[in-house]
Amino acid sequence: AQRVTQPEKLLSVFKGAPVELKCNYSYSGSPELFWYVQYSRQRLQLLLRHISRESIKGFTADLNKGETSFHLKKPFAQEEDSAMYYCALIYKLSFGAGTTVTVRA
Amino acid sequence: AAGVIQSPRHLIKEKRETATLKCYPIPRHDTVYWYQQGPGQDPQFLISFYEKMQSDKGSIPDRFSAQQFSDYHSELNMSSLELGDSALYFCASSSGRRGDGYTFGSGTRLTVV
Repeated sequence: AQRVTQPEKLLSVFKGAPVELKCNYSYSGSPELFWYVQYSRQRLQLLLRHISRESIKGFTADLNKGETSFHLKKPFAQEEDSAMYYCALIYKLSFGAGTTVTVRA
Repeated sequence: AAGVIQSPRHLIKEKRETATLKCYPIPRHDTVYWYQQGPGQDPQFLISFYEKMQSDKGSIPDRFSAQQFSDYHSELNMSSLELGDSALYFCASSSGRRGDGYTFGSGTRLTVV
């Protein structure tokens, strides 16, 4: 069975500090992983997809098949990064429980 | 660019009433997913359709049903509404191509009173 685990429910960092959101997955096949972000009172938005190895809004995420992880990182957090972040796994689009990030000035 | 359209945006119903939520996917997307997000909860997968056939089923109550039509839009029908059905209902669509991801609609906020 596929499963996504985000161990941190809440994450609070200071502006300008690095931030890392952990995501571990369990999937028997070749995983497709995404990070979604939900800003307050807005729809879920695609942030990153592992297959494209892109950097969006300063965020990056690397798929580590050995550790079955897809952690999201940003070297310098900004206040506008405060949101709910979900790690998601194809194909049923299983979501992790989400991590609420608060960036303090 | 066209996005996933959901209607209505807001809906208030009384207990035991019925509700129908609609989702219009991005053009050329053939797969639709429905999610329920309760207050402070992460999205829960309800059901999905591919090429007008049910492709997967999650934690959808028996009181709910859904279908995908020939134009690929989908409707979620909810009967005998309960207070606990109050939630944000998201629809997402995808093309099925590897790596494309999913595009979400803005959701329908259902309040059962």
